[in-house]
Amino acid sequence: KAGVTQTPRYLIKTRGQQVTLSCSPISGHRSVSWYQQTPGQGLQFLFEYFSETQRNKGNFPGRFSGRQFSNSRSEMNVSTLELGDSALYLCASSWGGLVSTDTQYFGPGTRLTVL
Amino acid sequence: AQSVTQLGSHVSVSEGALVLLRCNYSSSVPPYLFWYVQYPNQGLQLLLKYTTGATLVKGINGFEAEFKKSETSFHLTKPSAHMSDAAEYFCAVSEASGGSNYKLTFGKGTLLTVNP
Repeated sequence: KAGVTQTPRYLIKTRGQQVTLSCSPISGHRSVSWYQQTPGQGLQFLFEYFSETQRNKGNFPGRFSGRQFSNSRSEMNVSTLELGDSALYLCASSWGGLVSTDTQYFGPGTRLTVL
Repeated sequence: AQSVTQLGSHVSVSEGALVLLRCNYSSSVPPYLFWYVQYPNQGLQLLLKYTTGATLVKGINGFEAEFKKSETSFHLTKPSAHMSDAAEYFCAVSEASGGSNYKLTFGKGTLLTVNP
């Protein structure tokens, strides 16, 4: 069974631009969660999508948004990029999502650098 | 709000020695508890999890953790370290936050170094 894939793996943008990251979950998984990992703040939960609906949300500004398609693939968008948005963005998929005890499987991440 | 504290951002052990990585959490209700490992330039991999039932949880690669409710702890151990265990380890807690909003909260991570 193929694992969670994220594209692109590396991305360089400049301040003020917007960016879209993609995550393809494991086949059959309905939940996709997004996380931001930085040296200073560590791993922080952004949001979870389940069956095309945002079900849970962390404490990030509205510049961070996402969506999920009918095939469970998910995209995360960050608008008006700031230097502080430079991070490794991880997505994770599971069948039942955060409200369940199902194991979340993580992708390798997208490394975003904002100049 | 739930929080996770990992004592020691960096732990160094000799090959063959006991590995002990500490995790304490704050939660108003019994949470789900997890340990993840992250190798360089890779995503996170689940080592083990506690949901309900037996408080001693066995995971992959010889790791285990014990949920101690009275101490609000979930320390990770391995009897004998191997060079391949060198990685960063994250403790995480999942519970409802503010009604039905669930989220996964991670500790800051502990970098494990294994010396030959």
